[in-house]
Amino acid sequence: NAGVTQTPKFQVLKTGQSMTLQCAQDMNHNSMYWYRQDPGMGLRLIYYSASEGTTDKGEVPNGYNVSRLNKREFSLRLESAAPSQTSVYFCASSEQGAIETQYFGPGTRLLVL
Amino acid sequence: GDSVTQMEGPVTLSEEAFLTINCTYTATGYPSLFWYVQYPGEGLQLLLKATKADDKGSNKGFEATYRKETTSFHLEKGSVQVSDSAVYFCALISGRSQGNLIFGKGTKLSVKP
Repeated sequence: NAGVTQTPKFQVLKTGQSMTLQCAQDMNHNSMYWYRQDPGMGLRLIYYSASEGTTDKGEVPNGYNVSRLNKREFSLRLESAAPSQTSVYFCASSEQGAIETQYFGPGTRLLVL
Repeated sequence: GDSVTQMEGPVTLSEEAFLTINCTYTATGYPSLFWYVQYPGEGLQLLLKATKADDKGSNKGFEATYRKETTSFHLEKGSVQVSDSAVYFCALISGRSQGNLIFGKGTKLSVKP
């Protein structure tokens, strides 16, 4: 069991470039989440998918889009990166809803110049 | 809105010292409360949780009691080890958070041998 995997581990972008962060889980979980972690800010929810086929905005969705490709995979896309999106991005999954234990991936460190 | 406030870090302790990390919350109704831990270079892991008033969550020697009267969920451990060095996040789920986790800013703990 790999748990939650994320690619890439680290990425440098120039302002205006686009990229997709990939996330996959092998625990047959229904719910998946994308967070960003900034120094002194804790984790903030960007988007979540309560179940396959559904996605909803979290606290800070502006500048991002998501796709729940299937039950295993949940990707996060930055269409036009901005320096304010420099952060560490974590994907997480849970069996059903956030009340259940969330399992986190190792994170993607993104630097936007 | 609902929120979580944690004590400022970093906290530096000697091995075998007693640990308390304070956490208070603001929420309507009866939130569920969580402590997550992030070891260096890793994603978050659930440490413990409590879903109703007076419940005590415990795991790996850590404990926290859900105190509704003081809106608190302080994390304690009787004797810390070097391996406990990590960042600790208090979090809640409430009706207003649409069933999603709201995190505090995190408290970094360093334990010296």
